[in-house]
Amino acid sequence: AQTVTQSQPEMSVQEAETVTLSCTYDTSENNYYLFWYKQPPSRQMILVIRQEAYKQQNATENRFSVNFQKAAKSFSLKISDSQLGDTAMYFCAFMKTSGTYKYIFGTGTRLKVLA
Amino acid sequence: NAGVTQTPKFQVLKTGQSMTLQCAQDMNHEYMSWYRQDPGMGLRLIHYSVGAGITDQGEVPNGYNVSRSTTEDFPLRLLSAAPSQTSVYFCASSAAWAAGANVLTFGAGSRLTVL
Repeated sequence: AQTVTQSQPEMSVQEAETVTLSCTYDTSENNYYLFWYKQPPSRQMILVIRQEAYKQQNATENRFSVNFQKAAKSFSLKISDSQLGDTAMYFCAFMKTSGTYKYIFGTGTRLKVLA
Repeated sequence: NAGVTQTPKFQVLKTGQSMTLQCAQDMNHEYMSWYRQDPGMGLRLIHYSVGAGITDQGEVPNGYNVSRSTTEDFPLRLLSAAPSQTSVYFCASSAAWAAGANVLTFGAGSRLTVL
């Protein structure tokens, strides 16, 4: 069975600084997707970034980028130039591309951006 | 474009009562799912569906029932509410098979308290 681990329950960063959130996962699959979702205080979950396992190039979305290390089963999220609006809970998620259509989420990292 | 609509947003139940959380999406998504979010445990999959008439169990299905009679609707039924079902519930959908699929669109969540 797949598992997703986020070892940092809480983090804080100064506005305009860079922060990296960690995520590791365990799977025997070769093809899968990895995601980072953001949940601000409003509770609405939104996608931050997505990575296909077969792509070696790390995904980027504006200030958000990932460091995908397939062999190490690591998928960290880097937030550059942190903004107050980045304050949220961040969830790492895994989904395999074959068989059952299930997402597995980590337990989340609560990020606070300080003014 | 409403996206994913969940009702009600808040509900208080007594132990043993039954209720239905409604979920509707207007994006013609094949995949729909229900999660519960509890502190320190992330999001856990309750049930999911890959199309009308097809449902399957997730990680924590006990005490919950689902059906998918139409593409748009995926209600979650609590058969006999228990205090352990106090949680925030999220419905999420995605296009299952198209390019760029697998990204979940979430509803706003439903906070359920069972006394």
